Amino acid sequence: DADVTQTPRNRITKTGKRIMLECSQTKGHDRMYWYRQDPGLGLRLIYYSFDVKDINKGEISDGYSVSRQAQAKFSLSLESAIPNQTALYFCATSDRRGGIYNEQFFGPGTRLTVL
Amino acid sequence: QKEVEQNSGPLSVPEGAIASLNCTYSDRVSQSFFWYRQYSGKSPELIMSIYSNGDKEDGRFTAQLNKASQYVSLLIRDSQPSDSATYLCAVNILGRGSTLGRLYFGRGTQLTVWP
Repeated sequence: DADVTQTPRNRITKTGKRIMLECSQTKGHDRMYWYRQDPGLGLRLIYYSFDVKDINKGEISDGYSVSRQAQAKFSLSLESAIPNQTALYFCATSDRRGGIYNEQFFGPGTRLTVL
Repeated sequence: QKEVEQNSGPLSVPEGAIASLNCTYSDRVSQSFFWYRQYSGKSPELIMSIYSNGDKEDGRFTAQLNKASQYVSLLIRDSQPSDSATYLCAVNILGRGSTLGRLYFGRGTQLTVWP
């Protein structure tokens, strides 16, 4: 069984629609992250959460919002999708007991296409 | 500005050769360093972590860290076609006065191992 799961795995939507991407983990980690990956641009951090009551913006948070419903669940929303949000989205987790080392483990990704 | 730079690639080596992947980083207080392997369309997979200066070996993989030169590398010995992937360098940088950090990723180096 996968430790970090993401739903949906693929999604095609239209400009202006609201979209939610969900991430769940069974690793018992308290830190969770959302990244997007675009060809040639690498991984860029959208939002991160170090525990249920802690939410932080990453480098490209505009146009996105998140919700940490529980330690194991972290959702990413696109309030009004636009074509340049077409990308591969990854959720990741890490364990605070790792301290400063911060090994992160990634989910399988969601391929989002905005028409 | 925190930057992680990798060889732009692509890197092509014959089967059985040593593949050398390089990464430099700009933040002197970085504490931990990671190499991820990413197959096309898949999620990044953590393959090596290194925290101290010197070499760390794991099977055919060796990570090398030189904090004075702000340089981390990954050597893959006896390269196999199955090693063909994009390799991402990641650096954990702590927040000011904090033990909580976040990863900064390079854009990746695409490696092809030909039979």
